[in-house]
Amino acid sequence: RKEVEQDPGPFNVPEGATVAFNCTYSNSASQSFFWYRQDCRKEPKLLMSVYSSGNEDGRFTAQLNRASQYISLLIRDSKLSDSATYLCVVGNQFYFGTGTSLTVIP
Amino acid sequence: ETGVTQSPTHLIKTRGQQVTLRCSSQSGHNTVSWYQQALGQGPQFIFQYYREEENGRGNFPPRFSGLQFPNYSSELNVNALELDDSALYLCASSRDRPGEQYFGPGTRLTVT
Repeated sequence: RKEVEQDPGPFNVPEGATVAFNCTYSNSASQSFFWYRQDCRKEPKLLMSVYSSGNEDGRFTAQLNRASQYISLLIRDSKLSDSATYLCVVGNQFYFGTGTSLTVIP
Repeated sequence: ETGVTQSPTHLIKTRGQQVTLRCSSQSGHNTVSWYQQALGQGPQFIFQYYREEENGRGNFPPRFSGLQFPNYSSELNVNALELDDSALYLCASSRDRPGEQYFGPGTRLTVT
């Protein structure tokens, strides 16, 4: 079983839409969770850490559900510039999901 | 920009050769991790160095080795290159372990 699993998508949404991604993890002892975004042929960039109580940064909200072992990312009011691949990351040794591709359409 | 730099940007090698990739960590960061990213996949953890000691290793063979120097910069060495080693190699630094990691732009390695 993979350490981290993500729906690869692709997700194609209109501008202004709300979109949510989920990511499940296998190691219940994991303590660190992050969301990264990666543009085509570029390095991953930290989007946000995920805290137990959930956290929000502008249009982005991250949640952690330890009982069901998943993390989620919600993007509200999607912008064209949100088009990218979103990677969830779990654990101290940074197990990455395969990424979820998002395209925001005008 | 993250302040993490990598060299070279691109590299072409032939099967069986050896390669060394370099990474300078962000100022104030003492931990460096290396990842391999094949096309269409998420980055795969190779190993991590914390204060010059290896601090964890992913599922990669021993021909992948590394070093961290007193200034916390790091090298990744790959011996006996195989075609499947063609990938983007990313290094990331963090202030401590565990911690938010900041990635360099990567080295794109092509093995022919």
